[in-house]
Amino acid sequence: EVQLVESGGGLVQPGGSLRLSCAASGFTFSSYDMHWVRQATGKRLEWVSTIDTAGDTYYPGSVKGRFTISRENVKNSLYLQMNSLGAGDTAVYYCVRGSAYSAWGQGTLVTVSS
Amino acid sequence: QTVVTQEPSLTVSPGGTVTLTCASSTGAVTSGYYPNWFQQKPGQAPRALIYSTSYKHSWTPARFSGSLLGGKAALTLSGVQPEDEAEYYCLLYYGDAQRVFGGGTKLTVL
Repeated sequence: EVQLVESGGGLVQPGGSLRLSCAASGFTFSSYDMHWVRQATGKRLEWVSTIDTAGDTYYPGSVKGRFTISRENVKNSLYLQMNSLGAGDTAVYYCVRGSAYSAWGQGTLVTVSS
Repeated sequence: QTVVTQEPSLTVSPGGTVTLTCASSTGAVTSGYYPNWFQQKPGQAPRALIYSTSYKHSWTPARFSGSLLGGKAALTLSGVQPEDEAEYYCLLYYGDAQRVFGGGTKLTVL
């Protein structure tokens, strides 16, 4: 069974940092591009970052330079390092598998507030 | 700033047919945008329905189909069931490796 389990969310002050993790199981992790997608309460989904199987990374302008996506294939794990966080980054963050976005984790909540 | 637009809300009767669309501010949506469609119910993570315009996942009910229609990506539900009531999102891929979600369509089955 394909599983994606996010962790690392929580309350952080504006300007702070947080590192999210995603533990993958049930598939050959190294063979898939992986993504982070977020959703603020009551808002649309927002693509946050992608890392392909070669390790190349992609970001939208809203997080470029602040967020870093990485992967550790030997541990079947995906990460998102988030720096300089602001209120606009408050959201549930989902780990998503593949170019067909075929599997989603349950999400981890990040709240940026003083 | 690229904007992807969906109908904010649609209502359909059980057993009816409804088409949701996904438009790009950059112009006509083509297969090169690799349209994806997702279903999200309250309190749940999104679930993938359609990828690359019209390909279904193994779990996608047969009543869901994807296409291109009048310069937009489209998701058609034929023989709508009460359990299809949900928010539906499209996702488009842009050539510079950017991905943009639409604003979502709230589908009511009434």
